[in-house]
Amino acid sequence: GAGVSQSPSNKVTEKGKDVELRCDPISGHTALYWYRQSLGQGLEFLIYFQGNSAPDKSGLPSDRFSAERTGGSVSTLTIQRTQQEDSAVYLCASSSGRTSGRGSSYEQYFGPGTRLTVT
Amino acid sequence: DQQVKQNSPSLSVQEGRISILNCDYTNSMFDYFLWYKKYPAEGPTFLISISSIKDKNEDGRFTVFLNKSAKHLSLHIVPSQPGDSAVYFCAASAREYGNKLVFGAGTILRVKS
Repeated sequence: GAGVSQSPSNKVTEKGKDVELRCDPISGHTALYWYRQSLGQGLEFLIYFQGNSAPDKSGLPSDRFSAERTGGSVSTLTIQRTQQEDSAVYLCASSSGRTSGRGSSYEQYFGPGTRLTVT
Repeated sequence: DQQVKQNSPSLSVQEGRISILNCDYTNSMFDYFLWYKKYPAEGPTFLISISSIKDKNEDGRFTVFLNKSAKHLSLHIVPSQPGDSAVYFCAASAREYGNKLVFGAGTILRVKS
């Protein structure tokens, strides 16, 4: 079946503009995660959705960042008033939400990412 | 505070030899560890994992070893192949934290033919 997809693949925006990044998780996956990878860094957790529970927003770096997950499927990450330090690759991942066994919630499947450049 | 550390930014290995990638962690709450492989312009792909109740997990050419007392894990690839050249990320997770992954900074593996 289809994997995780993200759009756009690349986004160049001017400082101060708002951007929206989209993630389509694997069908049937109840958990969805957003990460970002800045140049030369590892992946940094941003936000986590699990089913209908309140999202874990503990990784969002500022209140300019927000995310929604509509209908338990597609998610949108919004960055308002972008800054140059927001430039990074934003990665979305989904997992089954199962707690054990092969394909457990620990195993996350990543999309190709959106490369955001703020000029 | 970097909870997962990969202290070697890069590693170069001859084809056919063993590649050993290392990872250290500081948080004793972590109960599951994963290795991901990443090619340029692609998202990370899951490679192999290990639960904290085990000390070894093997899948084909890939073996992960966990030393809980030392808070250290390693990924062994044998024999290494040129197609293994990629960035390898170590990640750790804890059920208490909702299974979000904490990643190391990655190690670039180059397998020379």
